[in-house]
Amino acid sequence: GENVEQHPSTLSVQEGDSAVIKCTYSDSASNYFPWYKQELGKRPQLIIDIRSNVGEKKDQRIAVTLNKTAKHFSLHITETQPEDSAVYFCAASKSEEFSGGYNKLIFGAGTRLAVHP
Amino acid sequence: EAGVTQSPTHLIKTRGQQATLRCSPISGHTSVYWYQQALGLGLQFLLWYDEGEERNRGNFPPRFSGRQFPNYSSELNVNALELEDSALYLCASSLGLAGHSLITDTQYFGPGTRLTVL
Repeated sequence: GENVEQHPSTLSVQEGDSAVIKCTYSDSASNYFPWYKQELGKRPQLIIDIRSNVGEKKDQRIAVTLNKTAKHFSLHITETQPEDSAVYFCAASKSEEFSGGYNKLIFGAGTRLAVHP
Repeated sequence: EAGVTQSPTHLIKTRGQQATLRCSPISGHTSVYWYQQALGLGLQFLLWYDEGEERNRGNFPPRFSGRQFPNYSSELNVNALELEDSALYLCASSLGLAGHSLITDTQYFGPGTRLTVL
């Protein structure tokens, strides 16, 4: 069935270091890969997403890479700051016209990132 | 622009009771999704509604149901509550099917309703 595996489950870095979170998906038809950040007691917030027609996307300190052959994608955060501390979720979905797969996000289990000053 | 809103913020029920959770999507969005986030776990897809119809549901028993109203707001109903139903229930909205190509729409989440079953 559809599955997204996310690693590591926890990640601790020093302020200024880089952080990398990796996800692997099982459904080769997946074509949309968002990343959400969830701070304690708050809603998940979309931070970046990538579609299957591109291999990399950057937004300031955040970047996502996609390897469709290997069915994995990664989140890279550079120059980490204490306010980056949160739980990060990757997800995957696929677009199929009016079928059961459309728009259903399959989430990874999450990575708890702690950035220490 | 107002974001996705959910009510109530917290809900406490006893085992066997029914719970009703509500969601209002972002203006202009026709798709509403429901996810369950149990403590310490990831988000599990529950239901997807668009244009008033249920389009997809996750691996949850039939006692989880819902509906979407003409104004695109949505209700999630959980019948015969069990202790393991205690979780944060998140609603998300997106632009939806009408007038769109096969491109998957970005989903924006509400703050959630924390359901506690005693």
